[in-house]
Amino acid sequence: GQQLNQSPQSMFIQEGEDVSMNCTSSSIFNTWLWYKQDPGEGPVLLIALYKAGELTSNGRLTAQFGITRKDSFLNISASIPSDVGIYFCAGRGRGSNYKLTFGKGTLLTVNP
Amino acid sequence: NAGVTQTPKFQVLKTGQSMTLQCAQDMNHEYMSWYRQDPGMGLRLIHYSVGAGITDQGEVPNGYNVSRSTTEDFPLRLLSAAPSQTSVYFCASSYLGTANEKLFFGSGTQLSVL
Repeated sequence: GQQLNQSPQSMFIQEGEDVSMNCTSSSIFNTWLWYKQDPGEGPVLLIALYKAGELTSNGRLTAQFGITRKDSFLNISASIPSDVGIYFCAGRGRGSNYKLTFGKGTLLTVNP
Repeated sequence: NAGVTQTPKFQVLKTGQSMTLQCAQDMNHEYMSWYRQDPGMGLRLIHYSVGAGITDQGEVPNGYNVSRSTTEDFPLRLLSAAPSQTSVYFCASSYLGTANEKLFFGSGTQLSVL
């Protein structure tokens, strides 16, 4: 099946710093999604990307659909304590019907 | 709108017991799915449905059954629980179509099998 490699696994940063994380796929994806999960809650969609090269922002968050269609990046600018959580990338490739593949997540800790 | 509602929030079972995790959505979504989340493993798809009467297997279906008799409900059944099924379970739903990937998740069920 399709595999997603998400990195880094965890990050510990100071409030105000910028954050970058990425996902790479072993095959071409048609859709990339980024989710955030707060403790004890289900993941919440942050950004959806549908075209190669697409760059989309949601407040302090910016995500890009890689031009090769095999990777995606999420950047968070000027981090704040409430950015703490687990960030997941997810993607759907050709022939995968309605199945989304999720990365293993990046645990972000922000030190006030 | 309540969104996606999962019950129970927590459950402890003994090996061999059966139970049903409930999931309901009030958004008229055609697509519903169940994921399990384990430390370091991300979210793995168990079963999914694209409409009432239609279900299919995901990545890790063994040990789980589903049915979809209505658009709103998509229960997940464990017929004989095993310790390997200790996990956090999430139900998610969405519309079908070009934006079908915009899954809405429930708040999860934490299951422990002793």
